[in-house]
Amino acid sequence: DVKVTQSSRYLVKRTGEKVFLECVQDMDHENMFWYRQDPGLGLRLIYFSYDVKMKEKGDIPEGYSVSREKKERFSLILESASTNQTSMYLCRAGGASYGYTFGSGTRLTVV
Amino acid sequence: AQSVTQLDSQVPVFEEAPVELRCNYSSSVSVYLFWYVQYPNQGLQLLLKYLSGSTLVKGINGFEAEFNKSQTSFHLRKPSVHISDTAEYFCAVTSRNSGNTPLVFGKGTRLSVIA
Repeated sequence: DVKVTQSSRYLVKRTGEKVFLECVQDMDHENMFWYRQDPGLGLRLIYFSYDVKMKEKGDIPEGYSVSREKKERFSLILESASTNQTSMYLCRAGGASYGYTFGSGTRLTVV
Repeated sequence: AQSVTQLDSQVPVFEEAPVELRCNYSSSVSVYLFWYVQYPNQGLQLLLKYLSGSTLVKGINGFEAEFNKSQTSFHLRKPSVHISDTAEYFCAVTSRNSGNTPLVFGKGTRLSVIA
């Protein structure tokens, strides 16, 4: 089975901290995506990447950046965390034939 | 651009009853369609997908969905639900023309199975 691993299930950070959310895939796929999920809003795309060192903005990139130095790793960065970034963050990798595999999610709370 | 509408935000149903979760999409190009399930505090798990071929797609846990191009729908069904099916369900669409187009999700339907 293909696997997407998010390094933390739960995180609590203070306002203003720099936060790194890590995502690693083992399927050697070019495509990786970061979403946030909020009640009543579904999943919203933050950033995505189709190859190493490339990135594309999704629907809600403000307040976030990403890094893809290696094919298997896609990091989401909150430069200065704010309380409105409290959310569930989901990483996804793969293409249509895989059905796009998701990680188990990171629930981030910013206090 | 694509969009997805899940017509019901919450669906309560008694155990062993049938259920249908509705999904309509909008797209100017041909699409791939997906249903995902999310259990509390977990990531999304693929239930089934429509890429091509038969419009009736069977997935895991006894779920199936039918692609209806004329109605632009991809409704999810199960003939007899269990308590363990209580979860949130997401419909998603992407363009068939490019394998790199991001998935667009509906806002989800919360299925509650009542004993």
